[in-house]
Amino acid sequence: AQSVAQPEDQVNVAEGNPLTVKCTYSVSGNPYLFWYVQYPNRGLQFLLKYITGDNLVKGSYGFEAEFNKSQTSFHLKKPSALVSDSALYFCALGDGQNFVFGPGTRLSVLP
Amino acid sequence: SQTIHQWPATLVQPVGSPLSLECTVEGTSNPNLYWYRQAAGRGLQLLFYSVGIGQISSEVPQNLSASRPQDRQFILSSKKLLLSDSGFYLCAWSVLTSADTQYFGPGTRLTVL
Repeated sequence: AQSVAQPEDQVNVAEGNPLTVKCTYSVSGNPYLFWYVQYPNRGLQFLLKYITGDNLVKGSYGFEAEFNKSQTSFHLKKPSALVSDSALYFCALGDGQNFVFGPGTRLSVLP
Repeated sequence: SQTIHQWPATLVQPVGSPLSLECTVEGTSNPNLYWYRQAAGRGLQLLFYSVGIGQISSEVPQNLSASRPQDRQFILSSKKLLLSDSGFYLCAWSVLTSADTQYFGPGTRLTVL
């Protein structure tokens, strides 16, 4: 069965510094990978996805993610964090049969 | 463009009362529809999904039920609420099933007292 792990419950980063939110996955076939962001008391917003092709995916708000098949990872990155990036981030995996979300990582960007 | 609506935005209900949450999607036809519950601002639990009118799949046995009376309408119900039903309920839609982006509504905050 497929699964998604986000090994860090919380990530703290200073404003202006690069940020990384980690995601690893396990799937038997080809993965479809997604990142979402959730602000307090709001629904999830889609950031980006990897289906096939270029391993570096660019998304909304300056975020990007790198698909690494050998490490089964799909880490979310941003070169320079903003205080407004503080939110809950979810990685998600589809395998053609099921769709599963990771447990979420809370990102705090400190001014 | 497609939009998804949920109402009400917040709801406070006593234990034992009924529940009806509504989700509607505009700008697309025959979407796949999903109900999730999020407890304590963390992980998502898939409750129900639907691939068409009258077709409901339940992921977790519980006090809730779902219905899809129209193509773009998805309703979450309960006959008698429990304290444990409190949470943030999210509706989502997608074109395909597991290989496609899911788009979420704004959510309903349910508090059962």
